[in-house]
Amino acid sequence: EAGVTQSPTHLIKTRGQQATLRCSPISGHTSVYWYQQALGLGLQFLLWYDEGEERNRGNFPPRFSGRQFPNYSSELNVNALELEDSALYLCASSTGMGLTDTQYFGPGTRLTVL
Amino acid sequence: GNSVTQMEGPVTLSEEAFLTINCTYTATGYPSLFWYVQYPGEGLQLLLKATKADDKGSNKGFEATYRKETTSFHLEKGSVQVSDSAVYFCALRRPLVRSGGSYIPTFGRGTSLIVHP
Repeated sequence: EAGVTQSPTHLIKTRGQQATLRCSPISGHTSVYWYQQALGLGLQFLLWYDEGEERNRGNFPPRFSGRQFPNYSSELNVNALELEDSALYLCASSTGMGLTDTQYFGPGTRLTVL
Repeated sequence: GNSVTQMEGPVTLSEEAFLTINCTYTATGYPSLFWYVQYPGEGLQLLLKATKADDKGSNKGFEATYRKETTSFHLEKGSVQVSDSAVYFCALRRPLVRSGGSYIPTFGRGTSLIVHP
């Protein structure tokens, strides 16, 4: 069974540009989560999509946005990039409900803002 | 709200030493508890989980027991190897309902483990 995949692996942008990160969940999973892992800060929750809808978002500015497509893959967009946006962005997927709902993570996209 | 507190790292051990990484949590209701491991340069991998009180999760020699009375889920391994060097994250998650709510998983800040030969 294929795991969660993310692309690109690395992304280098300059301040003010836009970045688009992509995630494909495990087959059969309808929920996709995005996290930011900045150095020394642990995992910060960004966004949760389930069945094509945004279910919740973390404490991030509106320039962080995303969407989920009918095939449950997802895109994270970061507009007007700032230096502090440099981080590892992790995507996770799950079946979307229940006590045994476990998140499975992708390898991440390393975003560097110069 | 929900929170997870892990012991500060790094934890530095010699090969074959006993490992304990403490994790305590605050949550309403009956969350599921998880340990994830992140090897250098990689994403998080699920290591083990427990979904109710007194459950023991185990995998690859690691164990953790869901202790509701002490709200803890400490990770243990009897004999660590150099290959266990990684960052370990404790997490909790309340049951989800499709009608919404904010049952987002809560992660601890991670504990770095360094094992020397």
